[in-house]
This record gives sequence, structure tokens and C-alpha cells, in this order.
Amino acid sequence: AQSVTQPDIHITVSEGASLELRCNYSYGATPYLFWYVQSPGQGLQLLLKYFSGDTLVQGIKGFEAEFKRSQSSFNLRKPSVHWSDAAEYFCAVGRPYNTDKLIFGTGTRLQVFP
Amino acid sequence: DTEVTQTPKHLVMGMTNKKSLKCEQHMGHRAMYWYKQKAKKPPELMFVYSYEKLSINESVPSRFSPECPNSSLLNLHLHALQPEDSALYLCASSHPTSGSYEQYFGPGTRLTVT
Repeated sequence: AQSVTQPDIHITVSEGASLELRCNYSYGATPYLFWYVQSPGQGLQLLLKYFSGDTLVQGIKGFEAEFKRSQSSFNLRKPSVHWSDAAEYFCAVGRPYNTDKLIFGTGTRLQVFP
Repeated sequence: DTEVTQTPKHLVMGMTNKKSLKCEQHMGHRAMYWYKQKAKKPPELMFVYSYEKLSINESVPSRFSPECPNSSLLNLHLHALQPEDSALYLCASSHPTSGSYEQYFGPGTRLTVT
């Protein structure tokens, strides 16, 4: 069955520290991969996406993610976290060339301390 | 411009009311989506419209009735809702035929059913 796992429900980091949010997926082939961020009461904002090619992708707000086929992972990273990064982060996967039905992970809530 | 707008931002309705949620995008996207999101959960897909035709209905109760009057507009008509339907309703759009498989989300409508 297709699924997305975000093992960390809640992560707390200090401002300025590095960040890595984990995402593992179970899928028949290499899916299209996405990271979204959601601030409280807001919609989802696309941070970055991976379809093919270079396995290290750059996104907005200083985020990057690395696709590792051997580990079925697509972890999100940021070298230095800002207080404004506090939010809920969702990893999502979709079928290549047809991403109408995205499969979302359960989300990781990021808290940032000054 | 990657903006999806939704109105109203907040809606309180009784179980006997009829109301509508509205979503609009002017990015030329040909696929539009309705999602329901409960607190601390990922979005759940409800409906997908592709080229103004309903292509996916995820077994949503008939008290939710979607409508796509044109390629820029998506409505969700609500009737005889239950308190458990209280949630954040998100609209999204994408343009897969142009190679843009990512979905862009609106800010959502916070619905409370009393």
C-alpha cells in the first residue's frame, strides 16, 4: 500500500540551529515528492518538489531536500532555523504525471525557541 | 502569481442552513480541488475537477455539493451539515498538462457547524 511516514510528530529547535525533518514513503515506483508548510489556520504553501533529475532540490525560504531512492526518503533540511519557521510541515507524494491524489504524511510540528 | 483565493475566511452555520464556499484562481490552472482538514491532521481530498468536469469524488456525503462554473471558479455548496463537518476547507489548483504537477493551496475557510 502507498504511504508516507513522517516519524517525528513534534520537533523543537533553537533559533539558528540546523533542522532536518524526515519523510519516508512506500510506493511502487519513484513518486513525485513535495514538501508543504502550514502556519496555524492557514493554507499549505509549497516549499519544494522533486520529479526527477538532481536529487538535491532547493526550495523557498532557504529549505532544501534530498531524494534518496535507496532509502525511500525525501528529508527536508535547513542550515539555520528562524523563529518564523515555526509551523506544521507536510511531506506528500503523488503518482508521476498524475498528482491529483496526493498522499500526505501526518505532519511534523516545528517549534522554534529563541 | 500563484494565488488561490477563498471566501469567506470564516463561516458559522446551523445544521439546517445552506451556505456556499467559493474558490478562485487566475493562474490558468485546469485542475481544481477541495480538501477537508481537521485539526492536527493532514488534508483529506474530497473532490477534483479537471477541465471543469468532476473527475474524482472521494465518497463524500451528498450534503457537500461541488460546482465548477468556469475554469477559474470552484464552489462547494453546503446543506444540512453535521457538527463533525466543522473543519478547515481548503481549495487547491494545479496545471498538470503544462508539466506543473504541484498543487497550490488557498488560505482556507474555517467552517463551524452549530
